[in-house]
Amino acid sequence: DAGITQSPRYKITETGRQVTLMCHQTWSHSYMFWYRQDLGHGLRLIYYSAAADITDKGEVPDGYVVSRSKTENFPLTLESATRSQTSVYFCASKDRGDFTDTQYFGPGTRLTVL
Amino acid sequence: AQSVTQLGSHVSVSEGALVLLRCNYSSSVPPYLFWYVQYPNQGLQLLLKYTSAATLVKGINGFEAEFKKSETSFHLTKPSAHMSDAAEYFCAVSGGSNYKLTFGKGTLLTVNP
Repeated sequence: DAGITQSPRYKITETGRQVTLMCHQTWSHSYMFWYRQDLGHGLRLIYYSAAADITDKGEVPDGYVVSRSKTENFPLTLESATRSQTSVYFCASKDRGDFTDTQYFGPGTRLTVL
Repeated sequence: AQSVTQLGSHVSVSEGALVLLRCNYSSSVPPYLFWYVQYPNQGLQLLLKYTSAATLVKGINGFEAEFKKSETSFHLTKPSAHMSDAAEYFCAVSGGSNYKLTFGKGTLLTVNP
């Protein structure tokens, strides 16, 4: 399917476990982003990537790791999950040539950490 | 630095009534402004965006927004609410040169029959 997909859509894990959330886009967009959405906070940027092998921290990066070996994939890893990381995670992408910075979002992953 | 304030975390209207969702922004450069809509259990979908071409922007599903520089506002309106408009709406701002969007905290729109 064309567009941006995320997997899994739902995940339940336990405190201390490692979890990886996947994001895949078919547009060959240069930029990709990870956000978390929490009640009362809206969307907060975790990490972003300007191209393969280029990543940088956003507003709330602690406890998360990202990599980007291929343009189309941008996985987010929680190395040791904590309850405070229970959230809905959204991946987004942006075309380098789009001067308006319009981002396109995936369907999200709902993560519960017990 | 940029910021977005959405006035009212929850707005409730009757079906057929005017929808008005408020957004004020702060930006040190001429902004690009966006409204996204999020239906339950879905991702964010672009509703409309202001890119300086016209101050009144028309989007999908009958929504429109007007950019008012003097008021630093970008309020979203729809003349007649439909039940299917019930969703959360996010306003966002970009400076156009740093590829990041700054989001407001969202406004949940409820439409009553």
